Amino acid sequence: GAGVSQSPSNKVTEKGKDVELRCDPISGHTALYWYRQSLGQGLEFLIYFQGNSAPDKSGLPSDRFSAERTGGSVSTLTIQRTQQEDSAVYLCASSLVVAGGPSGTDTQYFGPGTRLTVL
Amino acid sequence: SQQGEEDPQALSIQEGENATMNCSYKTSINNLQWYRQNSGRGLVHLILIRSNEREKHSGRLRVTLDTSKKSSSLLITASRAADTASYFCATVLYNFNKFYFGSGTKLNVKP
Repeated sequence: GAGVSQSPSNKVTEKGKDVELRCDPISGHTALYWYRQSLGQGLEFLIYFQGNSAPDKSGLPSDRFSAERTGGSVSTLTIQRTQQEDSAVYLCASSLVVAGGPSGTDTQYFGPGTRLTVL
Repeated sequence: SQQGEEDPQALSIQEGENATMNCSYKTSINNLQWYRQNSGRGLVHLILIRSNEREKHSGRLRVTLDTSKKSSSLLITASRAADTASYFCATVLYNFNKFYFGSGTKLNVKP
């Protein structure tokens, strides 16, 4: 596609429910990132996928958070038993090559985000 | 933390004035990038500067990088009301697949 897309754009859920957030990266981009941004704050890295390699999950805040990337393209971020502190905008980004690798010239393209509100 | 930290947190100027935002970081980097965010949604990449570069220009944007001081600055010249947004710096480490974002500078350009 023309850009990174995310769905839904807004999600309101009740505490304790599970939610799934979807990200469609730019076609051909091998790297995919998930971030979380609380109100008025910077971006918090959650997880990173690169090709078929095992994802870097070091940023996931708890075991209630998981993500997968099917076929090296679409990714789903799942939050189980949501808590009110999970309320935030969840941003997905993709890049063509590994950022910070030997070329070091790539940039990330962000989706519009999913605004999650846990009541 | 390797995060970039922007300074100031908020900046309010009149249209036509220049806006300068600073970013400091702690570890050696491969490159540093500046992003813009409107209304708390997706970020848009503005400019990338590599560790071996000292200055870069793109339109009304000028970025400098001082690796000895571990700092960067973003200058927006002749600001416009449409420049109102939050601006983030992101540091990218060598062979690390993560971007470290700061908490941003909120710029308000008054018409």
